[in-house]
Amino acid sequence: DTEVTQTPKHLVMGMTNKKSLKCEQHMGHRAMYWYKQKAKKPPELMFVYSYEKLSINESVPSRFSPECPNSSLLNLHLHALQPEDSALYLCASSHPGTNPLHFGNGTRLTVT
Amino acid sequence: GENVEQHPSTLSVQEGDSAVIKCTYSDSASNYFPWYKQELGKRPQLIIDIRSNVGEKKDQRIAVTLNKTAKHFSLHITETQPEDSAVYFCAAHTGNQFYFGTGTSLTVIP
Repeated sequence: DTEVTQTPKHLVMGMTNKKSLKCEQHMGHRAMYWYKQKAKKPPELMFVYSYEKLSINESVPSRFSPECPNSSLLNLHLHALQPEDSALYLCASSHPGTNPLHFGNGTRLTVT
Repeated sequence: GENVEQHPSTLSVQEGDSAVIKCTYSDSASNYFPWYKQELGKRPQLIIDIRSNVGEKKDQRIAVTLNKTAKHFSLHITETQPEDSAVYFCAAHTGNQFYFGTGTSLTVIP
């Protein structure tokens, strides 16, 4: 069982499309993260939300727009992506501070 | 910012042998060090972690050691099995985020 749920599992979109990735957790974690991962590379941090407020934006292009509607949900809105944005997008959550990340199964995104 | 280096990048061992993966970090403020295992097509999963006030931690066939003075930590897997084959990532936590090593692809040969 995965405690962090991501939808959809797979997404193919054109460069002019708008789509959203969704993430949900019910572990009471107050820190939520978006990571981008290319094959056989480490997860690359994109955004961190702490107590529903954006605390870290790792200079991510504006075509990626995060949203944290409440403490259990995290969205990533996508618009005008490029083929090089194709990757596995991982959501994670944790208790704030020195506590482990719990990853979702990810969304495999392909931009055509 | 923090810089985490991980070696080796690939490792092949015979089933039953031990495997060791090493990581170094640069920021002395890092205080939490998890290890993640990622099987092909799956999510990273925490296998063991260690905090900066502890030198060693063991969980069955897996152990982690931490040397704060030298700023390095290592993952030890004993009696390896084919299902241990995966990519392993170390990480260091400082500030409000995790810094990952570059990964080690472990293959256990039956």
